[in-house]
Amino acid sequence: DADVTQTPRNRITKTGKRIMLECSQTKGHDRMYWYRQDPGLGLRLIYYSFDVKDINKGEISDGYSVSRQAQAKFSLSLESAIPNQTALYFCATSDPNGGGEAETQYFGPGTRLLVL
Amino acid sequence: GEDVEQSLFLSVREGDSSVINCTYTDSSSTYLYWYKQEPGAGLQLLTYIFSNMDMKQDQRLTVLLNKKDKHLSLRIADTQTGDSAIYFCAETGGGGADGLTFGKGTHLIIQP
Repeated sequence: DADVTQTPRNRITKTGKRIMLECSQTKGHDRMYWYRQDPGLGLRLIYYSFDVKDINKGEISDGYSVSRQAQAKFSLSLESAIPNQTALYFCATSDPNGGGEAETQYFGPGTRLLVL
Repeated sequence: GEDVEQSLFLSVREGDSSVINCTYTDSSSTYLYWYKQEPGAGLQLLTYIFSNMDMKQDQRLTVLLNKKDKHLSLRIADTQTGDSAIYFCAETGGGGADGLTFGKGTHLIIQP
């Protein structure tokens, strides 16, 4: 079973609609992230959360909101979708450590969103 | 701000070595990463290097870091068709708390 899951995997919606993308993880990690990937632009950070009570804006948070319902769940919402939000969205998790090792991020399989 | 640059495409023959290059601007980066994205899939961590290291080797993968020039490279020995993917260079400060900064990704194309 995948450690980081995203639903839906694919979604087509219309301009102005509200849409929610969900992410769940079984890794027990405190930290969760939402990125979007656009062709030729790599991944850009939208929001991140250190724990249930902590939410932080990333590089491109405008037009998005998030909710950390539980340690294992982090959802991304588009309140009023627009065509330039068409992209591939990735959720990721990580676990802080004090052992001097890199804090690896683990990615979900992605949600492909098309806004018409 | 932070910036990570990579060339968009690299084409190599099967069996040859692939060298994917990356430059970055944040001199405070603690760790530098290479992620692999296969078609239709998410990102998978390949390897990472701590900023006080020059080289790290893991089977067919060799990572070289030139901290003075802020240059990172990934060498894949004996490139196979299964290595065909997009390779992302990424950096973070200590703890990765504010997410990773990614390059745009290098498409590795394998010629038979």
